[in-house]
Amino acid sequence: DAGVTQSPTHLIKTRGQQVTLRCSPKSGHDTVSWYQQALGQGPQFIFQYYEEEERQRGNFPDRFSGHQFPNYSSELNVNALLLGDSALYLCASSLWGASSYEQYFGPGTRLTVT
Amino acid sequence: QKEVEQNSGPLSVPEGAIASLNCTYSDRGSQSFFWYRQYSGKSPELIMSIYSNGDKEDGRFTAQLNKASQYVSLLIRDSQPSDSATYLCAVITNRDDKIIFGKGTRLHILP
Repeated sequence: DAGVTQSPTHLIKTRGQQVTLRCSPKSGHDTVSWYQQALGQGPQFIFQYYEEEERQRGNFPDRFSGHQFPNYSSELNVNALLLGDSALYLCASSLWGASSYEQYFGPGTRLTVT
Repeated sequence: QKEVEQNSGPLSVPEGAIASLNCTYSDRGSQSFFWYRQYSGKSPELIMSIYSNGDKEDGRFTAQLNKASQYVSLLIRDSQPSDSATYLCAVITNRDDKIIFGKGTRLHILP
């Protein structure tokens, strides 16, 4: 049973560029959430997708956008990268409903913006 | 006041002792609470979820919730060196039904 997978593992981008991160949920899960984790901080909720729609969104600017595909996989896009966007980006999957935050996290994508 | 507060630690506990991790939250109406464990360089892993006042036990772990006092705690019995990690408290706020993580408490089990 494959867990949550993310790609790429590491990424280096230049300020102003755009980036796309990918996530495949754990088998049987239908909900994907994205988080940003800076060093020494807890994960910060970006948004949650279910049935290909954004269901919840945290306090992140419109530069952060996402998509969910019919097979439940998801992408996180960040435009006009800033130095402050450097962080670990985590994808988590779950089942939609009352326990949608009982999540399994993927290994993360380490994004460095120079 | 921060929405979810945890002592950053490190909290050092001798092997075999009970480790007690605490978390307070500001949104009084919050209903769902989670503890995640994160090893250095790894992603968070769900340990416990708790939704009702009182204790919930799972193996060596016990989560305790007191909604009146707005705190949730995690007890780890018979602490092992493999329990050394950062423990993240997460709360679903009543205000907007979104998840907020604390900064985490670093736990160090002394062999």
